[in-house]
Amino acid sequence: NAGVMQNPRHLVRRRGQEARLRCSPMKGHSHVYWYRQLPEEGLKFMVYLQKENIIDESGMPKERFSAEFPKEGPSILRIQQVVRGDSAAYFCASSQTGVAYGYTFGSGTRLTVV
Amino acid sequence: GQQVMQIPQYQHVQEGEDFTTYCNSSTTLSNIQWYKQRPGGHPVFLIQLVKSGEVKKQKRLTFQFGEAKKNSSLHITATQTTDVGTYFCAGSRSRGGATNKLIFGTGTLLAVQP
Repeated sequence: NAGVMQNPRHLVRRRGQEARLRCSPMKGHSHVYWYRQLPEEGLKFMVYLQKENIIDESGMPKERFSAEFPKEGPSILRIQQVVRGDSAAYFCASSQTGVAYGYTFGSGTRLTVV
Repeated sequence: GQQVMQIPQYQHVQEGEDFTTYCNSSTTLSNIQWYKQRPGGHPVFLIQLVKSGEVKKQKRLTFQFGEAKKNSSLHITATQTTDVGTYFCAGSRSRGGATNKLIFGTGTLLAVQP
């Protein structure tokens, strides 16, 4: 009964490279949420997806960031041409329904841009 | 946009002392949730409050939801070193049945000195 799985746990990228963060929701969960946490700060909503659909991307920067949740496979958060300010912990959460109740978070991906 | 603030940002207590964190939303919430994040860890769901004025207890933790559904508090009685971490409140607004993401508060970091 695996929980929300995120990989990699740690990711180091040089400025200008691409970062791909993966999230496999809990079994039976079809709703995925991505949050970003800067050092010493709270969690900022980025995007909410269901299978093959982006429901709410109001928290996602307009440029360089994209997210998908394909019919098969994990949800992917993609950051192109990373900059130092992208260094943060990126957490994924999943839920069984779209009603916000008791998110189960993954262990996160710590992205460091050097 | 919707904002959720918490005070204090940081609290240092001696083991055995009580601790309270307060959460205030700029808008009325349909529910409030509380999460705990250990240093280096990921947020873990603690509880959800839905009704105006609701009070819930979990062992030494007492959670309250304000009458106007715009504020909440978490009180820990007789803190222990295992209580160390950052406590986040998170709220969502219902919009005529549409799903909604959680907006997280700024968090309160609790340090407990043995």
